[in-house]
Parts: sequence; C-alpha cells; structure tokens
Amino acid sequence: DTAVSQTPKYLVTQMGNDKSIKCEQNLGHDTMYWYKQDSKKFLKIMFSYNNKELIINETVPNRFSPKSPDKAHLNLHINSLELGDSAVYFCASSQGVMAGEVVETQYFGPGTRLLVL
Amino acid sequence: GQNIDQPTEMTATEGAIVQINCTYQTSGFNGLFWYQQHAGEAPTFLSYNVLDGLEEKGRFSSFLSRSKGYSYLLLKELQMKDSASYLCAVMDSNYQLIWGAGTKLIIKP
Repeated sequence: DTAVSQTPKYLVTQMGNDKSIKCEQNLGHDTMYWYKQDSKKFLKIMFSYNNKELIINETVPNRFSPKSPDKAHLNLHINSLELGDSAVYFCASSQGVMAGEVVETQYFGPGTRLLVL
Repeated sequence: GQNIDQPTEMTATEGAIVQINCTYQTSGFNGLFWYQQHAGEAPTFLSYNVLDGLEEKGRFSSFLSRSKGYSYLLLKELQMKDSASYLCAVMDSNYQLIWGAGTKLIIKP
C-alpha cells in the first residue's frame, strides 16, 4: 500500500552511462515532482508535472529528461552521467486542487541514491 | 531573490522542549510547511501554516507570523526518535516550494 514508490533505491554506475529512475504514486494526485538532494542536504526542485504537462522546469541540464506515461508515473531519464550527478533523487506528489482549494502538501518517495564513479 | 534561513544544527535533551526557527523572504506567500527527515529517509510532512498563529498537533506545534516572515516549530517532551533534520519550506506566489537547508536536531539522553 506504498503511496509513492521509486526504483531503484540504489544506483551505482560509470560516468557517461544513461540511466532511468522510475516513480509511481497510487494517491490519485494530479502533480508529481523530481527533487535532487545533494551532500549539503538542500532539496532542489528539478521538474514537476501536472496532468502530463510540464509546469516547472528549473535550470537543470538537458541531460535530464522527465517522462510521464500517465498521471500516476513520472520517470527521470539521465543521459551521459557525470560525477556531479551523484546525489539522492526524490520523487514526490501532491493533490493540486481539491474541492476548490489548493492542497499542495507533498508526499515523498523513499529516494534513489545515485553514485556516479 | 528567495531565501529561507534556519539554524544548521541544534542540540537538546530528552524530555525537554526545543524551538526551531525559520525566517523567509519569498515572492508571494501561499503557506509554510515543516517536514521531518530522518537520516537516509524521505522527508515526511509535519505541519502547514497559512494564517498567523499557532497550530498544535500533539507534541509538535508550528507558529507563523507573516508580517515578520517568521515561523517556528516547537517540539515538546523530546524523544530520542525526534533526532532528525527539520526542513522549513515556503510556497511562493507560483505555488513553488522554496526549501531551507534544514536544521539537524540532535537529542541527548
């Protein structure tokens, strides 16, 4: 009955490789997000999707591309991995608008620990 | 620019009370969130304030003053399991969450 799930939990790979991280939410939420948390613990928004429309795209390298096959899934694909991409990546989701009110509490997945060697 | 400030680290004793402060400067305001993050785990939602005043939820309370750009999280009857990072986040006028770096709370017996 996991609300927001991510796979894999750990990912160790070589520089230059291409990898994907998957995220699924079963909360029926309208908006999903990808965050990067670096070694200093800052949470930085990377992308968010609302009803399959990209609504935030912070200035992340275009090597990172979000893909949303449906409202419940938001996957993150990374091309040509670099050492600086090593971090924890969190997926999150929020309701958006419910009963005319904005309900933006975000629920996080368990995180994917990416290490680029 | 947008900015969230909170202390980097605090130490408190089991059974005591601790207050974690957060000050913010953002373009617009649509609410302030507090999240708890244990080491190696995901952030989990604690509280949401959009109006001035104190919101109490069990051992945790959160206070907001919009005119001062200030909030605090108050933890009472501290337990060892409360050792974690506490993240303050503000939703701006575009409904984007702006996150602080978090306060690492260390609880000592």
